[in-house]
Amino acid sequence: AQSVTQPDIHITVSEGASLELRCNYSYGATPYLFWYVQSPGQGLQLLLKYFSGDTLVQGIKGFEAEFKRSQSSFNLRKPSVHWSDAAEYFCAVGVKTSYDKVIFGPGTSLSVIP
Amino acid sequence: NAGVMQNPRHLVRRRGQEARLRCSPVKGHSHVYWYRQLPEEGLKFMVYLQKENIIDESGMPKERFSAEFPKEGPSILRIQQVVRGDSAAYFCASSPKNTAGNDGYTFGSGTRLTVV
Repeated sequence: AQSVTQPDIHITVSEGASLELRCNYSYGATPYLFWYVQSPGQGLQLLLKYFSGDTLVQGIKGFEAEFKRSQSSFNLRKPSVHWSDAAEYFCAVGVKTSYDKVIFGPGTSLSVIP
Repeated sequence: NAGVMQNPRHLVRRRGQEARLRCSPVKGHSHVYWYRQLPEEGLKFMVYLQKENIIDESGMPKERFSAEFPKEGPSILRIQQVVRGDSAAYFCASSPKNTAGNDGYTFGSGTRLTVV
């Protein structure tokens, strides 16, 4: 069955430090891949997406992610974290059924120390 | 351009009452998806609807839960005889096609249901 794992439940980084959030998926074909961010009490905002082509994708707010087929991974990175980046981050995979079904990982909660 | 509108934002129900959650998709979007987020968990797929049709309800509990997306008006997620375990955030998303292409899904801000 298709699934998404995010090994880190919670991460704390200092402001200005670099960030990498891990995501692994299980799917037999090349999926669509997404990263969403959820601020407290808010809905989900799309940070970036991968469909095909260049495996390094750029998103909003200075985030990027790299698709590595051999590792079934789609890790999210940011070179310098800002306090406003504190939020919940969800990796998601779009799998092809009769439609593109989006399955979410459990999320990683990011705290930023000033 | 209004995004996905969900109301109410917060809903409190006593055990045994009915909860009705509304979702108005992005204008022009005819595909609606409902997800549930339990505390400390990710989003779990519940149901996918097109106008007047339920396409995939594999994530819906077999009893007490139902969803509709009429020709006119918002999509409704209905929970009958709520129990404390139904307390969660319910998110609606919409898309113009049945693909996750382009910008994926557009999500609403959710309805936070509390059952007391």
